[in-house]
Amino acid sequence: GAGVSQSPSNKVTEKGKDVELRCDPISGHTALYWYRQSLGQGLEFLIYFQGNSAPDKSGLPSDRFSAERTGGSVSTLTIQRTQQEDSAVYLCASARASSTDTQYFGPGTRLTVL
Amino acid sequence: GENVEQHPSTLSVQEGDSAVIKCTYSDSASNYFPWYKQELGKRPQLIIDIRSNVGEKKDQRIAVTLNKTAKHFSLHITETQPEDSAVYFCAASIRGKLTFGQGTILTVHP
Repeated sequence: GAGVSQSPSNKVTEKGKDVELRCDPISGHTALYWYRQSLGQGLEFLIYFQGNSAPDKSGLPSDRFSAERTGGSVSTLTIQRTQQEDSAVYLCASARASSTDTQYFGPGTRLTVL
Repeated sequence: GENVEQHPSTLSVQEGDSAVIKCTYSDSASNYFPWYKQELGKRPQLIIDIRSNVGEKKDQRIAVTLNKTAKHFSLHITETQPEDSAVYFCAASIRGKLTFGQGTILTVHP
């Protein structure tokens, strides 16, 4: 079946602009995660959606970052007033249900802020 | 919050040798420990995982061990092949939220 998809695959923007990154999880997966991977670094947790529960936003680095998940499926990560330090690969993952289910990653969106 | 330390940061082995990567975690509430392989420019792919009610798990050439008392877990790859060359990440999960180690660059020389 189809895996996790993300769009766009690459995004170049100017400092100060807003960007929206999209994630389509695997059909039927109720858990959705956003991570950030800076060049040569590990993955940093950003936010976690599980079903209809309130999202765990504890990893968002500043109030410029926000995310929504509409209809329990597609998610959008929004970064307002982008800064150069926001440049990274943003990865989305989804999991079937429980907290110990395998997380399947999308291909990521490479964000470059000039 | 949870903190995961991973060692070594780089590992170079000859084809056919074994490779061992070790991770420690800080929060005893972590209950799920996946290992991901990431090739250059690709997404992380799960290679093996272990849950906190199990001490060891094996899948062909790959095995993972977990010591809950000491809060550490390890990845063992036997009979390494050049295609095993990649970055390997360990992670620890509390209620689904993964905290990753910094990664190990594994190079397998033919």
